[in-house]
Amino acid sequence: DAGVTQSPTHLIKTRGQQVTLRCSPKSGHDTVSWYQQALGQGPQFIFQYYEEEERQRGNFPDRFSGHQFPNYSSELNVNALLLGDSALYLCASSLAGVEGYTFGSGTRLTVV
Amino acid sequence: GENVEQHPSTLSVQEGDSAVIKCTYSDSASNYFPWYKQELGKGPQLIIDIRSNVGEKKDQRIAVTLNKTAKHFSLHITETQPEDSAVYFCAASILTGGGNKLTFGTGTQLKVEL
Repeated sequence: DAGVTQSPTHLIKTRGQQVTLRCSPKSGHDTVSWYQQALGQGPQFIFQYYEEEERQRGNFPDRFSGHQFPNYSSELNVNALLLGDSALYLCASSLAGVEGYTFGSGTRLTVV
Repeated sequence: GENVEQHPSTLSVQEGDSAVIKCTYSDSASNYFPWYKQELGKGPQLIIDIRSNVGEKKDQRIAVTLNKTAKHFSLHITETQPEDSAVYFCAASILTGGGNKLTFGTGTQLKVEL
């Protein structure tokens, strides 16, 4: 049984560019959440998607946007990249109403 | 919003000893407290969790305790082994029908020495 799959695993972008990260949830899960983890810090909640809609959002600017597709997979888009956006981006899936996230291994984004 | 503090930031123990990691939370409405283990190059892995209607939960060598009055919860690992070496994160959440975002602590780097 495949867990949460994220792509790509690593990415280098230039300041000002745009990036799209992808996530396939664990089989049977219908809710996808995205977290940003800076080096040496705990993950910070970006937003959560359920039934193709953004259900909750953390304290991140509008440059961060997302999408959930009918097959429950999800994308995270970041526009106008800043050096401070360099981090590990984690996708987590869960089943609505049931606690317990399953995290992917993340996408390491480096902005230069 | 919720704020979670975690201590210590680093912890070194001898193999076979016990390790304790402590967290405090600020929002009394939080009712779900998971613990995650993160190994290098991997995403966080859920190792144990507890809901606010329970004071203690144990799973083999791992246990979690919760003091709702003091807003404290702790992770206890007994008989530590080298493979327990990793970064551990506590988190707090308010479980609702509308989803449950996790607020994480800053992590504890646990090193189990031979």
